[in-house]
Formats: sequence, structure tokens, C-alpha cells
Amino acid sequence: QVQLQESGPGLVKPSQTLSLTCTVSGGSMSTGRYYWNWIRQNPVKGLEWIASILDSDNTYYNPSLTSRASISVDTSKSQFFLNLASATVADTAVYYCARGGRGHCVDGSCFSESFQHWGQGALVTVSS
Amino acid sequence: DIQMTQSPSSLSASVGDRVTITCRASQDIRHYVAWVQQRPGKAPKSLIFASSRLHPGVSSKFSGSGYGTDFTLTINNLQPEDFATYYCQQYTSYPITFGGGTKVEIK
Repeated sequence: QVQLQESGPGLVKPSQTLSLTCTVSGGSMSTGRYYWNWIRQNPVKGLEWIASILDSDNTYYNPSLTSRASISVDTSKSQFFLNLASATVADTAVYYCARGGRGHCVDGSCFSESFQHWGQGALVTVSS
Repeated sequence: DIQMTQSPSSLSASVGDRVTITCRASQDIRHYVAWVQQRPGKAPKSLIFASSRLHPGVSSKFSGSGYGTDFTLTINNLQPEDFATYYCQQYTSYPITFGGGTKVEIK
């Protein structure tokens, strides 16, 4: 059974980069087979999708993050990553990583077939 | 962005009841809706994708339906472990968006 586990600093100072790692075990990270995703949750915005990656040529981001987010994957380490630059208090949230299968494509954009497997979540607080 | 509106935002039900939660999309999303369950203090768990298809291992007490803009999640024979918050999610237009959640509480 595939398992995902988020890791990273629990406290980040404003204006710094928030960096998280998701380690995948019990399943394949073969390039192009699955979508790897980041989602966050806080009481203000609820569940908010951040980014998805199929491979380095197929990445998608939430425009609301104004280009601050960067997602990448290292299949040799069974890990994928999130960097969120210029963190603010509003980025305080529980961050989840998730895996989804390859889904459909519409008008040149392709999608994860929902988020079948989720990590446990990692609380990140942005505060000075 | 596609808005996903759930109703009700909360409901009270008894063990053994059947409950239905609705989700309305602000535009046609065909059948690209997923439902997730979140128990208090826990990570979300995926239940349903493509409007009505159960993920492997999910109890058949959960069922989903709908197409276009209107979707429902039905839970039969409510048990203590089913008291949780349920979210719908669309995945056919970026950014992917979630509903605000429906909290199912014990009456």
C-alpha cells in the first residue's frame, strides 16, 4: 500500500521560503505514471490545491499563489518537493502531499484522476 | 475559477440514518467530481472519483451521483466512524477547487 509522508520545518519566518518534502513508500514513482500533488488546509481558505506534477514538462500551479510555488520530483529518492517563496502569515496551514493516477486532458491541460492517496499532513506556521 | 458549493454546511443525524450531501459546480464539469472524507484531526481520505466510482477499499455504503453541475454523496447506515466532514472537489479545470465542506454530526 502506498504511503506518503510530509516533512519540513514547522516554523518559517515571513519572507523566507517554505520548503517541504514528500517521501513516497510502498509504490512506484515511475515518471509519467502518476500525478504528485500538494494541497493545503487552513480555517480561512479550507482545502486549497497548490500544485501538481506529472514530470518536469507537466507542472500545474494555482494562480492565486502568484508564481511563488515550485514543485519538483526526484524519483531516484522517491520524493517530491514544494517550495513556496516569500512566505507570509497567510501561508500558515497544514500541508498535504497526495498521489493521483493519470486522468483526462482538456484543451491541452491534463489532470490527476482525483487524489487517491494522501499524506498525514504537516503543520507549517509562518511567524516571526 | 470553478466554485463548488456544498449544502448543507452541517447536518445532524443518528446512527443508522441515510444522509445525502449535495454539491453544485459553477459551471459544467461533466463527471469530474471527487468526494473526500476528513475525520477530526486526520488527513483527508478519498472516497469517490468520477462522480460515482468508489476508490478501492471504500465501503459500498458510500455512493455518488450526478453530472454537469449537480452532484450528490449518499451515506447509508451511518456509523460512528462516518461522522466527519465531507468535501467535494472538481478536477477538470485549473485551479482544482474544493467545496467548503459538510460536517456530519451525531444527533
